[in-house]
Amino acid sequence: GAGVSQSPSNKVTEKGKDVELRCDPISGHTALYWYRQSLGQGLEFLIYFQGNSAPDKSGLPSDRFSAERTGGSVSTLTIQRTQQEDSAVYLCASSFSGTAAYEQYFGPGTRLTVT
Amino acid sequence: GENVEQHPSTLSVQEGDSAVIKCTYSDSASNYFPWYKQELGKGPQLIIDIRSNVGEKKDQRIAVTLNKTAKHFSLHITETQPEDSAVYFCAASISNDYKLSFGAGTTVTVRA
Repeated sequence: GAGVSQSPSNKVTEKGKDVELRCDPISGHTALYWYRQSLGQGLEFLIYFQGNSAPDKSGLPSDRFSAERTGGSVSTLTIQRTQQEDSAVYLCASSFSGTAAYEQYFGPGTRLTVT
Repeated sequence: GENVEQHPSTLSVQEGDSAVIKCTYSDSASNYFPWYKQELGKGPQLIIDIRSNVGEKKDQRIAVTLNKTAKHFSLHITETQPEDSAVYFCAASISNDYKLSFGAGTTVTVRA
């Protein structure tokens, strides 16, 4: 079946512009996660959704970052007034249930470059 | 919160040799330890996991060991092949919690 998809795969934007990153999770997966992967670094947790609710937004780096999920499916991560330090690969993952014991399936990521 | 450290950051092995990656964790409550493999241009993919009620788990050429007393766990890849070249991440969590804490990753290169 279809896996997690993300779009765009690459995004180059100018400093100060807003960007939207999209994630389509696996159908039926109630949990959805966003991570950030900077060059040579591990996966930094950003936000977790259970259904349409985000019980944990603690990983969002600043108030320029926001995310929403609609219909228990598609999620959008928005970064306002992008800065060069926002350059990274943004990964989305989904799982059947919101516990770590269920495998998280990752999408291919969106590579964001802020110039 | 949980802190996971992973070593080495890079590992180069000759095809056919073994590769070992080690991780330590800080939260003694953690009881679920997955390993992910990330190939170039792709998202990480789960390759094996272990829970705290066992000390070792094997799946063909890969195995994971866990020492809860010392709070460390390791990934062992035997008879390495070129397709094993990738970045490997360890992670730790409490199994009924949603959050995985990841190590910084190990870039494994298998030389033909």
